[in-house]
Formats: sequence, C-alpha cells, structure tokens
Amino acid sequence: DAGITQSPRHKVTETGTPVTLRCHQTENHRYMYWYRQDPGHGLRLIHYSYGVKDTDKGEVSDGYSVSRSKTEDFLLTLESATSSQTSVYFCAISPGTGEADTQYFGPGTRLTVL
Amino acid sequence: GQNIDQPTEMTATEGAIVQINCTYQTSGFNGLFWYQQHAGEAPTFLSYNVLDGLEEKGRFSSFLSRSKGYSYLLLKELQMKDSASYLCAVKDSNYQLIWGAGTKLIIKP
Repeated sequence: DAGITQSPRHKVTETGTPVTLRCHQTENHRYMYWYRQDPGHGLRLIHYSYGVKDTDKGEVSDGYSVSRSKTEDFLLTLESATSSQTSVYFCAISPGTGEADTQYFGPGTRLTVL
Repeated sequence: GQNIDQPTEMTATEGAIVQINCTYQTSGFNGLFWYQQHAGEAPTFLSYNVLDGLEEKGRFSSFLSRSKGYSYLLLKELQMKDSASYLCAVKDSNYQLIWGAGTKLIIKP
C-alpha cells in the first residue's frame, strides 16, 4: 500500500470555525488530491496539486483552500466551516496524470460540522 | 455534463458470479478504473482498462467497450469479504477522474 496518512482521522467542530486537514505521503509522488465523499455522490474533487506551491481547483472548491509547501504534505483548510461541509475527506496521490497513472487513497478524515 | 451511472445496490450469493455495470458519458476518455471500498475504509485500486476488451486479474475481470461507453466488473467465486462498494471512474480529457456514486454489493451466505 502507498504510504499515505491523514490527520486527524475524526473531527467534530462548530459552524464558523476554521479547520485544517493534513495529508502526508512517503511515496514522493508529484500529484496530490483532496476529495470529499457523500452518500449518493461519487467522490468529488476539491483541489489538487501538481507540485510544491502548484495547486488548482476541482469541481467543488468553494469554501476550501489548500497549500503544499513540501512534496510530502498537502493541507486542506476550511476557512469557516459550514454544516454542508460535513463529509468524509480523502486524500489521494499519484505519480502523474497519464492514462495508467493510478490514484492511491489515504484512510480518510470524517468531519462533522455542528 | 459528465455522467457515470452504476446500480446503487446489488445482492449476490456466496460462491456465485456477479456483474456490476458502469455506463459513462464524459468529455474525452483516457481510461476507466474500478476501485473497491469497504465500509469505513479508503477506496483501493482493482483494475484499469483503456482498450476494448476483457482484463482478467484472478477472481476479478473488467471489460470495456469505448464505442458503447460501457464497462463491467465481473466477480467470480464470491466470498463474504467481497461485500463492499465498487466504484467506477473515468479519466476525462483533462486527465481528471470522474467518479460514479458506487455500487454496494451485498453477499449472502
């Protein structure tokens, strides 16, 4: 299995508070992704990174920001959490974006916004 | 828009064979992936198809027809541990993965 960890694994917070989720990889992969997974929906891309300090928006980026200051770490920040951001958040990594480049997932963070 | 369709839930019997279908309409096609996801866990990679035809990997096989926008995952000799959700994803023209909502497979003894 790819070496990917996420922290925290579970978090409960209140509406309006800032939250930061961390993804750490030991595979030296160039690409890192943040997804959210909600019942009845497929995984939805929030933001992704294609290198240190290089990031781009995904399908559902509103209300989220990211940073990547080191190859191994990709942070997802909810500046002011809302109840609609209650979800399970997965980080993924891949060596590239070529046809056969597979994404490997971290264990996920379950976030509850009250 | 882009769309991936899979059945929401399927039930099968231990030892049997089950086929999970996936149809897609995407802007471009650069490969189709199947992932397995056990409840409360991360998705894990199962298979990849970019050319038409059948790819076999042990008890699991995946088929692709690009002209029909169709794939299926075939699971043989079902075991209780195969109870999971199966996610279909297509890599689009921007090399981003578009995901289906997943098929929950329930295995009964």
